[in-house]
Amino acid sequence: DADVTQTPRNRITKTGKRIMLECSQTKGHDRMYWYRQDPGLGLRLIYYSFDVKDINKGEISDGYSVSRQAQAKFSLSLESAIPNQTALYFCATSGRDAGEQYFGPGTRLTVT
Amino acid sequence: AQSVAQPEDQVNVAEGNPLTVKCTYSVSGNPYLFWYVQYPNRGLQFLLKYITGDNLVKGSYGFEAEFNKSQTSFHLKKPSALVSDSALYFCAVRDRGDDYKLSFGAGTTVTVRA
Repeated sequence: DADVTQTPRNRITKTGKRIMLECSQTKGHDRMYWYRQDPGLGLRLIYYSFDVKDINKGEISDGYSVSRQAQAKFSLSLESAIPNQTALYFCATSGRDAGEQYFGPGTRLTVT
Repeated sequence: AQSVAQPEDQVNVAEGNPLTVKCTYSVSGNPYLFWYVQYPNRGLQFLLKYITGDNLVKGSYGFEAEFNKSQTSFHLKKPSALVSDSALYFCAVRDRGDDYKLSFGAGTTVTVRA
């Protein structure tokens, strides 16, 4: 089984709808991250969490919110989706040594 | 501020030839450097990292990278490319004094032709 899983893998939604993307990990890591990937821009950090009670904004947090329900679960919400939030979203985890991050398979979100 | 530049959007090589994917970085302090690979419809997979020590780092699938502090570069190399190496490659940097922020380059698409 994959160490970092994301649901759903694909989602099409309409402008103005609320949507939640979920991430679970079995690596036992404290640190979890949400990124979005856009062609030609690489990955940009939306939110990150160092433990259940520690949540921080990344470089592009506007229009997004997160919830760390447990050490293993980190959800990303779009409160009112807009078309420019169409992207590929990745969850990642890392250990306390803050070395390499481990990525989930991604969620392809389309907002029409 | 920290940043990564991957100057080539695409790299095309013939199978069996050497493969190089270029990366330069900018950080205010000392860097941790990473390479990731993304296959179609997959997440990013970690290839290798430079933390400290030997400037030549060896990673997964026969890849290696050389840290060059004076040129602020961390180029990814493979002596003999395979068709299966065709993918999107990302370089990333983190300042050692910054506990979380991993900055990614825009990515380089590698195509290895048979």
